[in-house]
Amino acid sequence: EIVLTQSPGTLSLSPGERATLSCRASQSVSFSYLAWYQQKPGQAPRLLIYGASSRATGIPDRFSGSGSGTDFTLTISRLEPEDFAVYHCQQYGSSPPTFGGGTKVEIK
Amino acid sequence: EVQLLESGGGLVQPGGSLRLSCVASGFTFSNYAMSWVRQAPGKGLEWVSATSNSGGSTYYAGSVKGRFTISRDNSKNTLYLQMNSLRAEDTALYYCAKNCGYCSGGNCYPCDSWGQGTLVTVSS
Repeated sequence: EIVLTQSPGTLSLSPGERATLSCRASQSVSFSYLAWYQQKPGQAPRLLIYGASSRATGIPDRFSGSGSGTDFTLTISRLEPEDFAVYHCQQYGSSPPTFGGGTKVEIK
Repeated sequence: EVQLLESGGGLVQPGGSLRLSCVASGFTFSNYAMSWVRQAPGKGLEWVSATSNSGGSTYYAGSVKGRFTISRDNSKNTLYLQMNSLRAEDTALYYCAKNCGYCSGGNCYPCDSWGQGTLVTVSS
């Protein structure tokens, strides 16, 4: 199965700053079937990005995804207070679908 | 609006069984694959199982294969997960999710909607 490694484990930033989150796969992700999810405490995950770079419905354009092959990035251009959360990446092109361990974005 | 409502979680002893349910609304349930994803306390997400839109095809993570059974009743818009031979490591919040890694017709789909989850605790 494809193992996804997210880094850093925790990112400490201030509102208004830029956040760059990494997701590295143990082997190439088929057709860039890579998604990013946001999860706030006590809530279910929410789909942000699919197909490595397409925003899901209703997701603000400060969220962007990029990458291909084995290296993917989620960028939040200017952090809003509601963006402090845990972010998970997932590959869904190979069976079984797998998730990374998550990156927590916390207020500095 | 898509809504997924899980139920059936609880405290069970090791070796015991539980049946989870997920009632769906806001979309044509019979048109979509459905999955279960779990999250152990303080841990990341783990895909558990998926079923095709008809229920004719099912898929399992290696950690639950042979112990868990996924099924669905399209007439009731309901997804199920029968969990047998439960272990302490099965303790988690179990989410119902729409699509979630299912591939069909050359396309694969992410987990585009999630329920709020139901907690399963396996302990003596």
